[in-house]
Amino acid sequence: KNQVEQSPQSLIILEGKNCTLQCNYTVSPFSNLRWYKQDTGRGPVSLTIMTFSENTKSNGRYTATLDADTKQSSLHITASQLSDSASYICVATSGGSYIPTFGRGTSLIVHP
Amino acid sequence: EADIYQTPRYLVIGTGKKITLECSQTMGHDKMYWYQQDPGMELHLIHYSYGVNSTEKGDLSSESTVSRIRTEHFPLTLESARPSHTSQYLCASRRDAESSPLHFGNGTRLTVT
Repeated sequence: KNQVEQSPQSLIILEGKNCTLQCNYTVSPFSNLRWYKQDTGRGPVSLTIMTFSENTKSNGRYTATLDADTKQSSLHITASQLSDSASYICVATSGGSYIPTFGRGTSLIVHP
Repeated sequence: EADIYQTPRYLVIGTGKKITLECSQTMGHDKMYWYQQDPGMELHLIHYSYGVNSTEKGDLSSESTVSRIRTEHFPLTLESARPSHTSQYLCASRRDAESSPLHFGNGTRLTVT
């Protein structure tokens, strides 16, 4: 069964600090992994996509990594801002499927 | 910003009522999805469609139906609402490419009393 596990469940940091969110996935065969950001009261928005051959990808202050051997991904946020407060959802998709598997998300709160 | 719209944003109704949640997208996407989201839980797939007149059930499809008569419109109907249906409902669409992202609406927050 395809599964996505995220940690931590929640995280509180001070503005300006860095943080890293973790994602372990079990999908077969693996196609791609996306990180979404969901602000309160809004739908999720895609931040990055990682495919099998990619190790690192950046989108501004967000950097995603992928280790296909250990089936792990991380999302690193640099110099956090108050607007980074949101839920970050890891989503993995298997090859040939248009039905992705969602993690439960990490709730990030950035305090001033 | 993706052009996918859900109405209403909030809905409070009594048990036993029939309701329809609306979802429309202007991007011409063939693939559309309905998800249910509860706090701290992963999104659960209710229904999905790969094009006009194509609909499939997801994990939580019981007690609800969908239709896809037009590409841009994918409404979700609960025939008889129950308190257990209280949740956030998210509609999404995507292009045909496997690597394309899901574009989500801002959801309908449903409360059944």
